Amino acid sequence: QKEVEQNSGPLSVPEGAIASLNCTYSDRGSQSFFWYRQYSGKSPELIMFIYSNGDKEDGRFTAQLNKASQYVSLLIRDSQPSDSATYLCAVNMVGTGTASKLTFGTGTRLQVTL
Amino acid sequence: KAGVTQTPRYLIKTRGQQVTLSCSPISGHRSVSWYQQTPGQGLQFLFEYFSETQRNKGNFPGRFSGRQFSNSRSEMNVSTLELGDSALYLCASSLTSQETQYFGPGTRLLVL
Repeated sequence: QKEVEQNSGPLSVPEGAIASLNCTYSDRGSQSFFWYRQYSGKSPELIMFIYSNGDKEDGRFTAQLNKASQYVSLLIRDSQPSDSATYLCAVNMVGTGTASKLTFGTGTRLQVTL
Repeated sequence: KAGVTQTPRYLIKTRGQQVTLSCSPISGHRSVSWYQQTPGQGLQFLFEYFSETQRNKGNFPGRFSGRQFSNSRSEMNVSTLELGDSALYLCASSLTSQETQYFGPGTRLLVL
């Protein structure tokens, strides 16, 4: 079982619709969760992070975390063509002491169609 | 505030050679992590440095090594390059090991 799993997609949604991206993780001790967006040929850029169960909203983006189900999701409202990218879920699995290790899923490719 | 910078941006090497990549973190950030990204394996964690000490290491062979200097700048070295080392190497910095990581533009390495 992979440590962080995402559906590779592509996930195709029409412009203006809600895109829902999902991620599951295996380590129950994980404490922080991140969503990054990566355009083709570019490096990942941070969209949101979430530490506590529940929802966290930032503009058109909402991150949802359910630690009991080991599940984290990202909702993108009013999807725009510029949102077309690969979305990477990352989980910070704290190691010994205060060292940490960010483990990434393989990413979900989102296509927003006109 | 300037972002994470990485040099060089592109590199072409041949098998058996070695390479050194450099990363300058965001000012004030003391933690630097390195990742390898390939189409087949995705983003994989190489190692993390904090205050000149390697705090965590991924599952890569000993040919991959790194260090961090007192100004938090970091370098990674790959010796005896193999074709499979062709990848985008990404550096990310954060205030501490627990904080959000911000990525640099990456170094694209091609091994021929």
